[in-house]
Amino acid sequence: NAGVTQTPKFQVLKTGQSMTLQCAQDMNHNSMYWYRQDPGMGLRLIYYSASEGTTDKGEVPNGYNVSRLNKREFSLRLESAAPSQTSVYFCASSEANGGETQYFGPGTRLLVL
Amino acid sequence: DQQVKQNSPSLSVQEGRISILNCDYTNSMFDYFLWYKKYPAEGPTFLISISSIKDKNEDGRFTVFLNKSAKHLSLHIVPSQPGDSAVYFCAARTRSNDYKLSFGAGTTVTVRA
Repeated sequence: NAGVTQTPKFQVLKTGQSMTLQCAQDMNHNSMYWYRQDPGMGLRLIYYSASEGTTDKGEVPNGYNVSRLNKREFSLRLESAAPSQTSVYFCASSEANGGETQYFGPGTRLLVL
Repeated sequence: DQQVKQNSPSLSVQEGRISILNCDYTNSMFDYFLWYKKYPAEGPTFLISISSIKDKNEDGRFTVFLNKSAKHLSLHIVPSQPGDSAVYFCAARTRSNDYKLSFGAGTTVTVRA
């Protein structure tokens, strides 16, 4: 039981490049989330998926797209990376939307030059 | 506009003493509060939570206190141990925001031997 896994662990991009961050959970959770963590800002919600087949914007969705591929997987795509997207990205899952506990992956550190 | 605020970026405490972490919030609709702990290069892990209908919740060395009239909660760690050195995030949710979590900026705790 790996919990929540994320790939890659670290990525360097040039401005304008695109990439997809992958997330998978093996806890049979219905809800999944993408956050970014920046110094002094805590964790901010980018997008979430309350259940398979649905996605909704969070607090900071601009510049990102998501896909809930199936119940296990939730990917985050940067179509044209910008230096302002340099951050640490965390994926999380919970049993249900509003589930009292969210379980987080280890994070992806992204540097956009 | 941050609805959850942790005004102390850091806290240093001697091993064996009490650590007190504070969190203030502005949204009176928050109905559930959580504390997460994060080690470097890892994702946040759930620590303890409290419902808005309670004013105290205890789990081993960790106790969370909620003062709804002051819109303030605190986390007490007694006694503090070196393994408690981490970043602690306060988070809150409300049904009116689709149960999405709002996080504070975090407090870095260092436990000195």
